[in-house]
Amino acid sequence: GQNIDQPTEMTATEGAIVQINCTYQTSGFNGLFWYQQHAGEAPTFLSYNVLDGLEEKGRFSSFLSRSKGYSYLLLKELQMKDSASYLCAVIDSNYQLIWGAGTKLIIKP
Amino acid sequence: NAGVTQTPKFRVLKTGQSMTLLCAQDMNHEYMYWYRQDPGMGLRLIHYSVGEGTTAKGEVPDGYNVSRLKKQNFLLGLESAAPSQTSVYFCASSPGTTSYNEQFFGPGTRLTVL
Repeated sequence: GQNIDQPTEMTATEGAIVQINCTYQTSGFNGLFWYQQHAGEAPTFLSYNVLDGLEEKGRFSSFLSRSKGYSYLLLKELQMKDSASYLCAVIDSNYQLIWGAGTKLIIKP
Repeated sequence: NAGVTQTPKFRVLKTGQSMTLLCAQDMNHEYMYWYRQDPGMGLRLIHYSVGEGTTAKGEVPDGYNVSRLKKQNFLLGLESAAPSQTSVYFCASSPGTTSYNEQFFGPGTRLTVL
């Protein structure tokens, strides 16, 4: 079966750095997305990786290792508004998005 | 552009009642999707469409039907609602079949079945 694993919940301090990991086992791989979802709202796009390496976008970076079936989302200079769930999703061989359950990130002052 | 819109935003049904959720997008996207999201679980695909007049089953299609009569609209129907269908329903759309296929989401419909 297809599986995506993320930690259920993480806590970090305002101004700090946090890394959210995602491991996947899917039938094929055609890319990986990270989405942010604030409570009660729709998911919104954060990043996309299809090749190995680091993609940086402002305070957010996403890393991919296809050989290890592993990705992480790195958030720097954490702000209170970063409190949200972060969803990892993999595009499989049928170009379907397989979603992880999400990681709830709690930011403390 | 409104992006992806969903109606209604909230609904309470009694067991056995029927209803239709409407999703509309103004981005001329080919692909549209219906998901449900339950606490502690990832988004689960109910049905999807790869173009006007087409529909396909996703991971959890039982108890739901869909129609895509117009490219911009994707309807999700519950013929006989059950308490297990209490959930938040999200519609999404994406441009097409390329691997970079970012999905754009609507605001969600919160459905409670009593």
